[in-house]
This record gives sequence, structure tokens and C-alpha cells, in this order.
Amino acid sequence: GAVVSQHPSWVICKSGTSVKIECRSLDFQATTMFWYRQFPKQSLMLMATSNEGSKATYEQGVEKDKFLINHASLTLSTLTVTSAHPEDSSFYICSAIRAGGTYEQYFGPGTRLTVT
Amino acid sequence: QKEVEQDPGPLSVPEGAIVSLNCTYSNSAFQYFMWYRQYSRKGPELLMYTYSSGNKEDGRFTAQVDKSSKYISLFIRDSQPSDSATYLCAIGGNNRLAFGKGNQVVVIP
Repeated sequence: GAVVSQHPSWVICKSGTSVKIECRSLDFQATTMFWYRQFPKQSLMLMATSNEGSKATYEQGVEKDKFLINHASLTLSTLTVTSAHPEDSSFYICSAIRAGGTYEQYFGPGTRLTVT
Repeated sequence: QKEVEQDPGPLSVPEGAIVSLNCTYSNSAFQYFMWYRQYSRKGPELLMYTYSSGNKEDGRFTAQVDKSSKYISLFIRDSQPSDSATYLCAIGGNNRLAFGKGNQVVVIP
């Protein structure tokens, strides 16, 4: 159990366009989901915490108008990178905490975004 | 001072050796301690988690926590080439995890 999927796994977009990444918990309900960004050979950097039915909480330095997060259901959260620029190219990973569970975060497989 | 310190230096060991990884943390309010394994271009996979000081064993993996020293360790016995990956410690509280930089481990057949 505790499977998290992400779609797409890989996307290339042109500078100035927007990209939506989906994160789904497949076999459990997740009241809380997290979005991370990871640059090559770097650790995971938390971007925002997303609670179902409420606004996401963004980490300091993360532009909430650029990285739009929607957590509309207990199994789906989306991250939209608006007006993408080459410096937004990174590996975006979501994670989820099982509703009613403890604190373990289960991670999706990640989405590699390349902005040209 | 960073919340979690993990020496990111790569580690190469021969097959069958014991792999020893560790992290230190600064916030004594952290309540839970995890180790994740991440293969290249994949999401992290939860390996071990614990909430208390002491040892926790799962197969070839042992997680050790010393809250008084704010120090956690992961030991991998009888290492296999399939254990080659990056290992990240994660320490948390209040629904939030702070990650170490990760150790790249290479097990040489």
C-alpha cells in the first residue's frame, strides 16, 4: 500500500508557457500532500504543503503566484508552474501523508521538467 | 546552522561490507526520524522510520537514533549491488520533514 503516482513523468515546455503536474495517492486518502523540488545532486527542497480543501502553505522564497497548488480531493493535488523559465527546470516530487496515519511521507516517482 | 547535516560524500564499498551512514540535527523538537533510499531519477522510497532513541532493525537494515546527541545512523549489513543508491535522512515534526543532502552509496560487486 501507500502508492503515489505523478503525471507526467517527464515534460518539456517552452519558456513562458504553463505546465501542470498531477500527484495522486492511489490506494489511500491523503489529507496532506507536499511538493518538493530537487536539483541534480542536491537534496529535496520543500516548496509547499497542501491540505485538502484549503490553501497551500508555501515555504519562504517560493512564489505562490508562480507555483499554483490545488488540493481538490483526498487523492489529488496539482502543481502548475506558470510562465515557466529555464531556471524552473528541475525534478519536482510530491509526497503524501496517509489520512489518519502517522507522519511517514510516501513519495511519488517525480516529474522532470525541462523548460527551453 | 542547518536543521539536518549529512555529509554528502560518496561512499564505495565492496559487496558484503557494512555500510554506515549518519546525520546530525539541531532541533531537539524533532519527533521522528526516517531514512529514504532514492535511485537515480526516481522518487525517494521510505526505508525505515522510528520515533524513539535506540535501534530498529528490518532485515539487513538497522536504524539507530540517539536523541541526547541529536545523531541518527543507518547501517546496511551484507551490502548488495542493488543497494547502490542515494540515502537521505529525514527528520521531522509538525507534519514537516527536513532532509539531509543524501549519501551516494556504490556497492561494488
